[in-house]
Amino acid sequence: QSALTQPPSASGSPGQSVTISCTGTSSDVGGYNYVSWYQQHPGKAPKLMIYEVSKRPSGVPDRFSGSKSGNTASLTVSGLQAEDEADYYCNSYAGVNNVFGTGTKVTVL
Amino acid sequence: EVQLVESGGGLVQPGGSQRLSCAASGFTFSNYWMHWVRQAPGKGLVWVSRINSDGSRTNYADSAKGRFTISRDNAKNTMYLQMSSLRAEDTAVYYCAREGIAAEFDFWGQGILVTVSS
Repeated sequence: QSALTQPPSASGSPGQSVTISCTGTSSDVGGYNYVSWYQQHPGKAPKLMIYEVSKRPSGVPDRFSGSKSGNTASLTVSGLQAEDEADYYCNSYAGVNNVFGTGTKVTVL
Repeated sequence: EVQLVESGGGLVQPGGSQRLSCAASGFTFSNYWMHWVRQAPGKGLVWVSRINSDGSRTNYADSAKGRFTISRDNAKNTMYLQMSSLRAEDTAVYYCAREGIAAEFDFWGQGILVTVSS
């Protein structure tokens, strides 16, 4: 049950794009198309941004997109806005459990 | 409107027990798997446990096995997490979350702080 690996930080200027990776194994990310992404602002509960690798829930801007290749999933935020500054976590279904990523702090410069 | 409200947190001594509750409203609770997720101060999210819709199947993270018990009462629209043999490292905000159609956590509670300290 090791955490999925994410870079600790990522940054970009307003309007730019940032991509966050999430690396697991064939037992989690690589084995299922059940990868989701969450945004968390300080002191707040996480918010679902992407599910089933690349699907966006209603109300999530299309600036947020997800993909997966092998054991690595990715979240891309295009057209960065100030309100996108937050922590982002990936999650994968892994059969008998779920596993989160280590988290990435996105800074809008 | 979907709402999940946790309660039961607070200060507990090492080795002690605590029961968290998650009251659900705004959806048919008995149709959904539910989860507990925790976050230690300044740290990342960690999955703790899940329970299926009728309460017959449960799974736990290694850190919770043998010490935590997840359960639910569909008549009361409430999920529980009974925690025992608590350690300082169990100090965290505990969130309850609903599982969506593809194993995602589509709705979250506001979280409840459990502090394990003497």
